[in-house]
Amino acid sequence: KQEVTQIPAALSVPEGENLVLNCSFTDSAIYNLQWFRQDPGKGLTSLLLIQSSQREQTSGRLNASLDKSSGRSTLYIAASQPGDSATYLCRYGGSQGNLIFGKGTKLSVKP
Amino acid sequence: NAGVTQTPKFRILKIGQSMTLQCTQDMNHNYMYWYRQDPGMGLKLIYYSVGAGITDKGEVPNGYNVSRSTTEDFPLRLELAAPSQTSVYFCASQRSVGPSSYEQYFGPGTRLTVT
Repeated sequence: KQEVTQIPAALSVPEGENLVLNCSFTDSAIYNLQWFRQDPGKGLTSLLLIQSSQREQTSGRLNASLDKSSGRSTLYIAASQPGDSATYLCRYGGSQGNLIFGKGTKLSVKP
Repeated sequence: NAGVTQTPKFRILKIGQSMTLQCTQDMNHNYMYWYRQDPGMGLKLIYYSVGAGITDKGEVPNGYNVSRSTTEDFPLRLELAAPSQTSVYFCASQRSVGPSSYEQYFGPGTRLTVT
């Protein structure tokens, strides 16, 4: 059974710090991986989508990478800001059409 | 485009009551999904649809039913509400899946309490 794990479950950093969020998956038959942001009491907002043929995607201060062989994706946030505080979820998209979410990393950026 | 819309935003049900959660997307997406999110448990797939007239069970379908008569709408039905169905429900849509799939878009959610 495919499992998607996000470590750490929670992270607190001071403003301005660069940080990395991790997402690991057990099945390498991946088609894509998507990173989302969820604010408290809100829905999910898409941040980045990486296809299996890509190694990384960038949007502003965010950079997501994908390493199929090691079963890992990372989300790098540069120069973190208090507005980045949210829960970040990764979603695995498999070759069987299966979409599986991790449980998320709750990020708190302190001013 | 409004994207994915859900109604209602909040609802309180008594045990045994029924209700329908509405979901509509205006992006002409083929794939639509219903998830529930419980605290600390991530998102669990309830049902999904790959197009009008086609639905299939996800990971936690018991106690729910769906229909997909049009591309735009994908309602979720709770027939006999139970306290275990207290959760936040999210509807999502996606144009396609596979090697060149697009992003998945989510609605704002429906917070349901069953007492």
